[in-house]
Amino acid sequence: GESVGLHLPTLSVQEGDNSIINCAYSNSASDYFIWYKQESGKGPQFIIDIRSNMDKRQGQRVTVLLNKTVKHLSLQIAATQPGDSAVYFCAENARGGGFKTIFGAGTRLFVKA
Amino acid sequence: SQTIHQWPATLVQPVGSPLSLECTVEGTSNPNLYWYRQAAGRGLQLLFYSVGIGQISSEVPQNLSASRPQDRQFILSSKKLLLSDSGFYLCAWSKGLSTGELFFGEGSRLTVL
Repeated sequence: GESVGLHLPTLSVQEGDNSIINCAYSNSASDYFIWYKQESGKGPQFIIDIRSNMDKRQGQRVTVLLNKTVKHLSLQIAATQPGDSAVYFCAENARGGGFKTIFGAGTRLFVKA
Repeated sequence: SQTIHQWPATLVQPVGSPLSLECTVEGTSNPNLYWYRQAAGRGLQLLFYSVGIGQISSEVPQNLSASRPQDRQFILSSKKLLLSDSGFYLCAWSKGLSTGELFFGEGSRLTVL
C-alpha cells in the first residue's frame, strides 16, 4: 500500500559501486511493476518495468528483480554515477485495479564521488 | 510525440482561497490521466485518476476535486484551501485501456499560507 507519510530512507554509495534499492509491495493482485527516478523539483521518470510473469529484466546499467513469493522488488544499478543521485520509487498496478498506479515510499540515493 | 504540460508551476495562496491547477496532454488520444500529490521529502499520493471524459475516481477523501472537461485536459480544484494542501502536485498520463508507464508533467508547487 501507500507509504506517503514516511520520510524517505537513504542509500549512500561510492561512485563506481553497484547500488541495490529495495521495495516491498503488499497487493497480491499487482501484476505490473515500474521503477521511477525523480530528480529534485521534477516529475518522476520511467526507468524500467517488469510484469508478473517475469522475475528479472535488464536494461542499460539497470536490472529489476521480482520475487512474487515474498512480494519484493529490487532495482540494481551497475557502476553507479553521480548523475544517478535521485529519489527512486517503485510503483505497482493491480490486475482489475482500474489502471491506477500506486507508488511505494521511495529511497533517496546519494552517490559519493 | 506526446507532451504533457501543467500550470502554474508555482503558486502561493492564502488559506480559504480557491485553487485551480490545469494539465493538458498533446499527441495522444484517450489517455488515462492522474493527479498525485507529494509532500516535501515524501512519496507520491494518488489523488484522482480518470479513464475518460467526465469519469473521475477519487482515492483520498479531501477538499480537492478533479474534472476532465475534455479528452486531454485534467483540472484539479479546491473551493477553500487548507494549510495541509501545500505540496508538489503532479499530473501524469498513461496510454488508455492498459496499464503502463506514467508520463509526468513538470509539477506545480503549491504553498498555502
